[in-house]
Amino acid sequence: QQPVQSPQAVILREGEDAVINCSSSKALYSVHWYRQKHGEAPVFLMILLKGGEQKGHDKISASFNEKKQQSSLYLTASQLSYSGTYFCGTVTGGSYIPTFGRGTSLIVHP
Amino acid sequence: DGGITQSPKYLFRKEGQNVTLSCEQNLNHDAMYWYRQDPGQGLRLIYYSQIVNDFQKGDIAEGYSVSREKKESFPLTVTSAQKNPTAFYLCASSRERAGGPRETQYFGPGTRLLVL
Repeated sequence: QQPVQSPQAVILREGEDAVINCSSSKALYSVHWYRQKHGEAPVFLMILLKGGEQKGHDKISASFNEKKQQSSLYLTASQLSYSGTYFCGTVTGGSYIPTFGRGTSLIVHP
Repeated sequence: DGGITQSPKYLFRKEGQNVTLSCEQNLNHDAMYWYRQDPGQGLRLIYYSQIVNDFQKGDIAEGYSVSREKKESFPLTVTSAQKNPTAFYLCASSRERAGGPRETQYFGPGTRLLVL
């Protein structure tokens, strides 16, 4: 079951903050976050694990609410380089392969 | 430098033709994956392999075939049975055989397939 990401798109000015949400209909083992620039490979940002362990990027933070089966990615003081499409991938058990959402497009203007 | 290479960057397919997309990794990863990306659809899993000489269908395997004869290589063939092959194809790998909820996937640069 594909996770649902919101919003679909965000437009910001440099220095503003953004939150991207990822919701699952099933219990989550882990959530993976990636950023993709147009025509390029997705780049790993962060993984959040059941139980609270978190591995990833030191300039981007995220939360993992097991009860609500949700994760949120927090981008603070956004930079032009933050522009791209953000994907969450959820691991819900059975298979350990992430299922990816449709992505959230983030555009940061000067 | 370790990484994943995909070739070619762009590929054109004629009607009724089979084409093969290459994916090679030198990360010594056990698991490899193929995804298809369409605008607004996210990444959809085509096939994955957890070990040499073994592979499993993903969510959209129809019209595709794969092989895993070497640990480093996981080519994808788009057959003539795939009626809508135009998409961006991404290959990925992860370290451990079982994947695991902790395992990060590393992606190659992708191949864009276009139908003439």
